[in-house]
Amino acid sequence: AQKVTQTQTSISVMEKTTVTMDCVYETQDSSYFLFWYKQTASGEIVFLIRQDSYKKENATVGHYSLNFQKPKSSIGLIITATQIEDSAVYFCAMREGITGNTRKLIFGLGTTLQVQP
Amino acid sequence: NAGVIQTPRHKVTGKGQEATLWCEPISGHSAVFWYRQTIVQGLEFLTYFRNQAPIDDSGMPKERFSAQMPNQSHSTLKIQSTQPQDSAVYLCASSPSLEQYFGPGTRLTVL
Repeated sequence: AQKVTQTQTSISVMEKTTVTMDCVYETQDSSYFLFWYKQTASGEIVFLIRQDSYKKENATVGHYSLNFQKPKSSIGLIITATQIEDSAVYFCAMREGITGNTRKLIFGLGTTLQVQP
Repeated sequence: NAGVIQTPRHKVTGKGQEATLWCEPISGHSAVFWYRQTIVQGLEFLTYFRNQAPIDDSGMPKERFSAQMPNQSHSTLKIQSTQPQDSAVYLCASSPSLEQYFGPGTRLTVL
């Protein structure tokens, strides 16, 4: 069965520093997709970045990058030069690629990031 | 370019009443998903349509929940005989391929 685990409940960092959020996943599928989403204080859920399981290079979008360690079933999110507005809840999610017909996302419980001035 | 639209944003029902939630996906997106978010369970998948056809409803509570997508511009989630445990934020998402784009959600409160 699919499972996504985020062990860090909350993290607090100073502005302009780098933060890493952890995520481990379980899947039986040989092909899958990993996502990070951000939920702001208003409740809006925003897609940030995606990693395809068959790609060796880590995805990067703006000041977000991923640390994909496939043997460890781990997909960490790295935010560099954090800003106050990065304060939010960050969700890791997984979608299996080829098994069955589903395209559903399985989410972790989230990590709350607070960026301090 | 409008995102996913959900109405109403808030709904309060009495126990035993019916609730219908509406979603308008992003134009051109072929897939529509419904999720539910609670503090305890987090984000849970409910059901999924592709090109308006129901594909996966494995997350739907079988007896009181139903979803439809009568045309490409809207989907509805109906909860009959609402119970206090149905209180949650119900989120609709649409997708052109891999990424899913979420609407603002409908906060349902069952008294």
